[in-house]
Amino acid sequence: RKEVEQDPGPFNVPEGATVAFNCTYSNSASQSFFWYRQDCRKEPKLLMSVYSSGNEDGRFTAQLNRASQYISLLIRDSKLSDSATYLCVVSGDKIIFGKGTRLHILP
Amino acid sequence: ETGVTQTPRHLVMGMTNKKSLKCEQHLGHNAMYWYKQSAKKPLELMFVYSLEERVENNSVPSRFSPECPNSSHLFLHLHTLQPEDSALYLCASSQGRRTGGFAEQYFGPGTRLTVT
Repeated sequence: RKEVEQDPGPFNVPEGATVAFNCTYSNSASQSFFWYRQDCRKEPKLLMSVYSSGNEDGRFTAQLNRASQYISLLIRDSKLSDSATYLCVVSGDKIIFGKGTRLHILP
Repeated sequence: ETGVTQTPRHLVMGMTNKKSLKCEQHLGHNAMYWYKQSAKKPLELMFVYSLEERVENNSVPSRFSPECPNSSHLFLHLHTLQPEDSALYLCASSQGRRTGGFAEQYFGPGTRLTVT
């Protein structure tokens, strides 16, 4: 099993729709979890940290399921500007980035 | 945004050249990182410096040599690179490490390196 695994996509979603990504991780001792977004030929930018209790920031909701070892990202009312690659990041004694999920929001 | 800056933004070098990449952070953080991002591969952590001391080195070839003179500056010295070293090199900074893991990191724009 890969240390961090994401569906590469691409996800092609109409504007206004809700889209959800999952990311699975193999190390049950992992402690910190994040979602980053990366636009084409740009650096990754922190989207949100993922807490055990789940957290929400506007249209974005992140959740952690330790029992099943996955984190999720939900985007509601998607905008054209949400088009990007979303990177899952898991850390403990190491920090591991997923390959990312590509999202295209269609007008 | 100017939180983390990197120079140069683009670099083309021959296999026998020596060059250096520079990173500077203006966020008051005390940990800095070098990552490599190759096409169709996830980001790979190369080096971590915390309080100017190297705390991690993920078996990176010796042709890459990091230097962290203070908490705001980080260099990556390059020599006798190979074509497969062509990639985007990203610098990041964070406020230390959380217990049991890494804290949120903020990335610079990267240096796109081509080795000919």
